[in-house]
Formats: sequence, structure tokens, C-alpha cells
Amino acid sequence: GAVVSQHPSWVICKSGTSVKIECRSLDFQATTMFWYRQFPKQSLMLMATSNEGSKATYEQGVEKDKFLINHASLTLSTLTVTSAHPEDSSFYICSARVPRGNQPQHFGDGTRLSIL
Amino acid sequence: GQNIDQPTEMTATEGAIVQINCTYQTSGFNGLFWYQQHAGEAPTFLSYNVLDGLEEKGRFSSFLSRSKGYSYLLLKELQMKDSASYLCAGMDSNYQLIWGAGTKLIIKP
Repeated sequence: GAVVSQHPSWVICKSGTSVKIECRSLDFQATTMFWYRQFPKQSLMLMATSNEGSKATYEQGVEKDKFLINHASLTLSTLTVTSAHPEDSSFYICSARVPRGNQPQHFGDGTRLSIL
Repeated sequence: GQNIDQPTEMTATEGAIVQINCTYQTSGFNGLFWYQQHAGEAPTFLSYNVLDGLEEKGRFSSFLSRSKGYSYLLLKELQMKDSASYLCAGMDSNYQLIWGAGTKLIIKP
């Protein structure tokens, strides 16, 4: 149980393009999902916490107008990187957890984003 | 403040045992998690401790001491496929995970 699906796995696109990444909890309802970014050989960095039916909570230094998060249902959160530039190239990973007490976060497979 | 400390890198030999330590400071405490992350992949959940003591799961075991703010992950009978980063994460009173930077484990034949 507790499977999280993330799509797409790879994106290569031109500078200025907006890219949408989807994160789905397949066998449970997730009121909260998390979006992370990881640059090569660096730590996992939390970007924002996505809350179903309300605004996302962004970490310090993350531009909310640049990284749009929508969590419209209990099984789907989306991250849109708007007007992406080469410095946005990174590994983006979502996670979700069963909303009961101290359950672990389960991760999607990640999206490797390359902006040319 | 909240903080997780773990070594940056460790090296061990195939077939041996290795212990990866983690010290934590969180606002409140709802448990300590260990994840494995292979290069280029997302993390996968390994273990969870909320009470003091040792939790064993096959070749992997995890230990917690709440009074010392300390945990370790013990890997036995090391295999080459165990080469990965191991992430320690503490859960605070708001059920948020505070992540360590990860320990890169290198296994040599």
C-alpha cells in the first residue's frame, strides 16, 4: 500500500516554457503532499507543502509565483514551473503520507527536468 | 532550532557491517525515519522508530535513544547494491519531517 505516482519522469524543454508535474496517491487519500527539489549530489530540499483545498505553504526562498501548486483533490497535487529557465533544471520529487498520526512519507519516482 | 546531523560519507566492505549514526533536535518528537536513496532515484522508506530500542528488519536494523536524541541504522552482510545515500529524518510535533543531508555509503568489494 501507500503508492505514489509521479508524472512525467523526464522533461526536456526550451527556456520560457511552463512545465506541469503531477503527483497522485494511488491507494490512499492524501490531505497533504510535499514537493522537493534535489540538485546533483546535494540534499533533498523541501520546496512546499501542498494542502488539499487550500493554499500551499512555501519554504523560505521559494517563489510561489514561479512554482505554482494546486491540490484540488485528495489524490492529486500538481506543481507547475512557470517560464522555466536553465537554472530550474533539477530533480523534482513529490511525496505523500497517509493522514493518520506519524506515518512515513512515500515518494513518487521523481521528475528530471532539463531546460535548454 | 531543528537540526539533523549525520556523516557525509562512509566506506565499508562487501559482507561487513556498517553503522550510520544520526543525532537530532526537533520541536517535539513524533519519531525518527530512515530512507534509502540510490543515485538518480527517489528515496524509499526503510524504517521508523518512536520508542527507545532496536527495530530489526532483515539485514537492516534501526536504533533509537530519545534521551540522547540519537539514532543509528545498522546494515549487516553488506551487498554492492547497498551503495546509496541514507537519509535520517525526524518528525516534529506538527508531523513535519526534518531531513538530514544524507550519508553516502560506498561499498567496496
